[in-house]
Amino acid sequence: DQQVKQNSPSLSVQEGRISILNCDYTNSMFDYFLWYKKYPAEGPTFLISISSIKDKNEDGRFTVFLNKSAKHLSLHIVPSQPGDSAVYFCAASPNDYKLSFGAGTTVTVRA
Amino acid sequence: DAGITQSPRHKVTETGTPVTLRCHQTENHRYMYWYRQDPGHGLRLIHYSYGVKDTDKGEVSDGYSVSRSKTEDFLLTLESATSSQTSVYFCAISVGVGDTEAFFGQGTRLTVV
Repeated sequence: DQQVKQNSPSLSVQEGRISILNCDYTNSMFDYFLWYKKYPAEGPTFLISISSIKDKNEDGRFTVFLNKSAKHLSLHIVPSQPGDSAVYFCAASPNDYKLSFGAGTTVTVRA
Repeated sequence: DAGITQSPRHKVTETGTPVTLRCHQTENHRYMYWYRQDPGHGLRLIHYSYGVKDTDKGEVSDGYSVSRSKTEDFLLTLESATSSQTSVYFCAISVGVGDTEAFFGQGTRLTVV
């Protein structure tokens, strides 16, 4: 029973445009949300996070939005760059060790 | 980059053989985790540790055991490998739990034939 869902397995975007990645969750106890980026043959690297007390967090080109009532979060990347081509995982935690991950979205940035 | 080393990086083993994967950290973080990554499933927690000799099961712990005799080392053992355990295994560490991120190692690709 997957509690974190990324319904789009892939996303293709032109360089310079906005990438929007979506994530839905079912567990209302989730309190902390993260996005990880993963290149082939490497481990996931932390990208950005957001606590449930906020609805937006921004870090450079990356912004995460949280809509708790809809149990939905999204990651915006503006502008998209070729180095952003990777797999992005959404993750959520009920404020303990249990990080639940989505299946991932593969982003391809076209030149 | 967080100081996490996984060994081996690649391994091919036969069904029914025992396999041990090692995770070594130089960060002195209290929490260590083993995840497996499979297509369509993302990363799933196998076991975690909250201190030396303190471990607990994750969501996919059947067929796996772990040990942590030192802060820096966390071992994952497949007692009798099966083809369903073919996967990429990631170790992760964190300084705390809750509103804190985990840092991942490079991964171990295990193939059970």
